[in-house]
This record gives sequence, structure tokens and C-alpha cells, in this order.
Amino acid sequence: EAQVTQNPRYLITVTGKKLTVTCSQNMNHEYMSWYRQDPGLGLRQIYYSMNVEVTDKGDVPEGYKVSRKEKRNFPLILESPSPNQTSLYFCASSSTVNTEAFFGQGTRLTVV
Amino acid sequence: AQSVTQLGSHVSVSEGALVLLRCNYSSSVPPYLFWYVQYPNQGLQLLLKYTTGATLVKGINGFEAEFKKSETSFHLTKPSAHMSDAAEYFCAVGTESGGQNFVFGPGTRLSVLP
Repeated sequence: EAQVTQNPRYLITVTGKKLTVTCSQNMNHEYMSWYRQDPGLGLRQIYYSMNVEVTDKGDVPEGYKVSRKEKRNFPLILESPSPNQTSLYFCASSSTVNTEAFFGQGTRLTVV
Repeated sequence: AQSVTQLGSHVSVSEGALVLLRCNYSSSVPPYLFWYVQYPNQGLQLLLKYTTGATLVKGINGFEAEFKKSETSFHLTKPSAHMSDAAEYFCAVGTESGGQNFVFGPGTRLSVLP
């Protein structure tokens, strides 16, 4: 089954404790991206990757890092999480930048 | 850079009534336009998309949308609402200018009343 898998689904952490949210897709897609969803703001792009070893900033990259060492994986790293990063995060992949994007189930992160 | 506005953060309709969710975009180049639906505690699922060709696009679950370039709009409609349509709907616009140029609107929550 074609899917994008994110882990964990739920995470509560403390300010400053490094964390990684994993994202993996099994569709051989070249394009992957991370979004955060906040009430009234829709989805805002954090980072995207157009291929292995190629990443770039989206609209709200501050406080986040990503890597794309393999085509299927695109982890999101928060080196020093802060409460304003409490949000719902989605990973997405697509075959090209403007074809249908497949989304993971989301990761609800709470930073206290 | 492009942007998307969705008029009405919350829309309520009665079961069987027409659903109309509004989306307007701004883009300096021909856009690709998408509607996604998000059910509670789930990710986003593509409803329909416009890339080129016919301006009236049909999607899943009886939804359709019409691209009107002169009005820079891509409104989503469904003739008869069903209880299962209750969800959040996002309009999105993308261009070929690069990965960053894929922007979502703020979303419209649709409630369907019995």
C-alpha cells in the first residue's frame, strides 16, 4: 500500500530536549516536505526536498532542521524545541513538486 | 509569490443542501490548484486538482470545482451535502517556480446539520 509514515503520532517533550520526527514514503517520490498546521493559519511549509541531498527552506524554517540522505526518508529535527513549536506536523511526498501530495497521519507535538 | 484566501473559516449547511466553499488565489504565473480534505485526526487527502485543460474539475465524493481565471477563483461545490462531508477543507496553489511555491489556504471547516 502506498503511504507516508510518520512517527511518533503524539509526543510531549520539554523545552530544549532535542527530538526527531521520522517520515518515510514507499512510493519512490522525489519531492518531500514538512508542514506545520496551526488553527486559523492552514498548513505552512517548514522545509522541502526535491531529491536526495537537496533541501531548502520553506516559509517557517526557524528552529528546524532536516536531512535527506535516502530517497525514502526525510526526518524533521528540532535541536532545541520551544513552546511555540507546539503544533501538528505533517510530512508529505509527491512525484514532482506540483502533482498530488500524499500526507502522513500527522504528529501532534507538545513542548512544555 | 502566491497566496490563497478562503472565505469563511466555518461553513454550516443542512444535509442535502448545496455546499459552496470559496477559494481565491493570487499568482503571477499560471497556477496549479488543489482542494484537500482533512477528516478528524487524519492527514490530508486530495479531493481534486486543476493543472491545465478543462476548467471544471470533478473530484471524489461528488465534489467539483471550477477554475475561473478572470476571478482568480477555484470554488468547491457539491450539489447535496452528506453528513460524512463534515471535515476541514484546504485550497492550495502551486506553480512550477520551485518547491517553496506551494501554498495552502487557512482552511474552511464544514459542518453538516441533520
